[in-house]
Amino acid sequence: RKEVEQDPGPFNVPEGATVAFNCTYSNSASQSFFWYRQDCRKEPKLLMSVYSSGNEDGRFTAQLNRASQYISLLIRDSKLSDSATYLCVVNSETSGTYKYIFGTGTRLKVLA
Amino acid sequence: DAGVIQSPRHEVTEMGQEVTLRCKPISGHDYLFWYRQTMMRGLELLIYFNNNVPIDDSGMPEDRFSAKMPNASFSTLKIQPSEPRDSAVYFCASSVRARAAGKNTEAFFGQGTRLTVV
Repeated sequence: RKEVEQDPGPFNVPEGATVAFNCTYSNSASQSFFWYRQDCRKEPKLLMSVYSSGNEDGRFTAQLNRASQYISLLIRDSKLSDSATYLCVVNSETSGTYKYIFGTGTRLKVLA
Repeated sequence: DAGVIQSPRHEVTEMGQEVTLRCKPISGHDYLFWYRQTMMRGLELLIYFNNNVPIDDSGMPEDRFSAKMPNASFSTLKIQPSEPRDSAVYFCASSVRARAAGKNTEAFFGQGTRLTVV
């Protein structure tokens, strides 16, 4: 089983739609969680950190469920510019390690 | 700050040749990570350093791969000899460890080196 798993998609949604991505992780000792965005042929960039209490940044909402070990990302009022791959990232600090493990990403295409 | 700087941006080489990828992390960051990205396997962590010391190289695919970090501002990933299956995008990332509980610190990525081995 992969440490971080995501539905690869693609998700094709019309402009203005609401879309949600989920991600599960296997290491219960994981402490930090993130969503990154990667555009075609570009490097991954931080979209938002994910905190236990949930957090919102404009049209984006991230949630963390530690008991079920999953993370979600909700995008409201989708824009064409939201088309990208969204990567779920987990950072585990166990036994002296400190590394960012990436899911394989979920592709989103917002259609006009 | 200029961010994480990688060179070269593109590399095309023949099978059997040595390839060296370079990375300059963000100043003040104490962690450096090397990743490989392919369509089939996504972003795989190859190796990471803390304060220039390699901590975990379990992701390095085989002995043909080696990485060094001689100082806080420079790291290399070397493939010798290279093979066509090594073709991928190689990313370097750096971060600084969170100093307070409950604070997330992100990894910052360079623009990557697109390696093609023919």
